[in-house]
Amino acid sequence: NAGVMQNPRHLVRRRGQEARLRCSPMKGHSHVYWYRQLPEEGLKFMVYLQKENIIDESGMPKERFSAEFPKEGPSILRIQQVVRGDSAAYFCASSPGQAYSGNTIYFGEGSWLTVV
Amino acid sequence: AQSVTQLDSQVPVFEEAPVELRCNYSSSVSVYLFWYVQYPNQGLQLLLKYLSGSTLVKGINGFEAEFNKSQTSFHLRKPSVHISDTAEYFCAVSSRNQAGTALIFGKGTTLSVSS
Repeated sequence: NAGVMQNPRHLVRRRGQEARLRCSPMKGHSHVYWYRQLPEEGLKFMVYLQKENIIDESGMPKERFSAEFPKEGPSILRIQQVVRGDSAAYFCASSPGQAYSGNTIYFGEGSWLTVV
Repeated sequence: AQSVTQLDSQVPVFEEAPVELRCNYSSSVSVYLFWYVQYPNQGLQLLLKYLSGSTLVKGINGFEAEFNKSQTSFHLRKPSVHISDTAEYFCAVSSRNQAGTALIFGKGTTLSVSS
């Protein structure tokens, strides 16, 4: 059973460009989470999605960031008009059910975004 | 809302010494607790989790953690560490029975094991 797959693993964008990060959850998992990791800051929750629905986006910046998890295909985290401060590692995770039921959340290897 | 405090940002130890990584949480509701490990340039791997039952939880790689409700703590321990345990360790919490909540992480503790 393949784990959570993220691509690209490394992405370089110039300021003002768009970044698209993709995440395919583990087989059978319908819950997807996105986290951002900055040096010295740990992992910050961004958004929690279940197929076609955003459950919690309280950690998502109000502008330039969006996420989706369509019925078919991977989840996408989209960052428009990137700035240097967006440089970070972005981790996707998935679970078979809600975290509040004690389901384990499995993480991908991460996508490292560098904005130059 | 929940929060997690990892009391030590860096813990240096010698090989074969015991180690304890401290974690305290704050929550107005009952919680589940987790420890994850992250090796350089990799994703997070679950070490262990507390859901219910025995307060002493055993995980992979010889790690264990004890849930202390009165002290709202979930400290991670290993009686004898190896060089290969050098990594970043994250404590995390999720709320029981509160739909729509995800894992909230502490800032992490860097464990450095030297010979």
